[in-house]
Amino acid sequence: AQSVTQPDIHITVSEGASLELRCNYSYGATPYLFWYVQSPGQGLQLLLKYFSGDTLVQGIKGFEAEFKRSQSSFNLRKPSVHWSDAAEYFCAVHGFQKLVFGTGTRLLVSP
Amino acid sequence: GAGVSQSPSNKVTEKGKDVELRCDPISGHTALYWYRQSLGQGLEFLIYFQGNSAPDKSGLPSDRFSAERTGGSVSTLTIQRTQQEDSAVYLCASSFRLGSQETQYFGPGTRLLVL
Repeated sequence: AQSVTQPDIHITVSEGASLELRCNYSYGATPYLFWYVQSPGQGLQLLLKYFSGDTLVQGIKGFEAEFKRSQSSFNLRKPSVHWSDAAEYFCAVHGFQKLVFGTGTRLLVSP
Repeated sequence: GAGVSQSPSNKVTEKGKDVELRCDPISGHTALYWYRQSLGQGLEFLIYFQGNSAPDKSGLPSDRFSAERTGGSVSTLTIQRTQQEDSAVYLCASSFRLGSQETQYFGPGTRLLVL
């Protein structure tokens, strides 16, 4: 069965510092991978997705993610975090006709 | 264009009452999904529609939960005889399926509190 692991429940980053959120997946075939962000009281907003091709994908708000098949990972990165990036981030893999989500990582941004 | 909309945004109900949650997908999207987000369980898949049919109901937690979709558009998730453990955020998503390379777009959710 498909699964996604986000090992960090919380991460605190200083404003302006770089960010990396970890995501590992388990999936037998070629994975289709996503990162979504959820601000408090809001739904999920798509940041970026990987289907095939270039393993470094660019998303909105300056985020990028790199697909590494050998490590079963799809880590999310941002070179310089802004206070408005504070939110919860979810990694997901497209399973059979549904998304399977990780448990999420809550990002806190300190001044 | 308009995104996925859900109503109501918040719902407070008493244990034992029935509730209906509504989802309006993005126009032209043929696939529609319901997920539940709760503190203990994270984000869980509930049910999926392709057109008006629901090929996969495996995620519905009990027979108190049902859903329908009419006209290939609006969907309603109904919870009968609500229990406190039904308290959660119910999220709807829609997609225009292109094989398995689909992207799901989410609505803002309905926050359900069962007292």
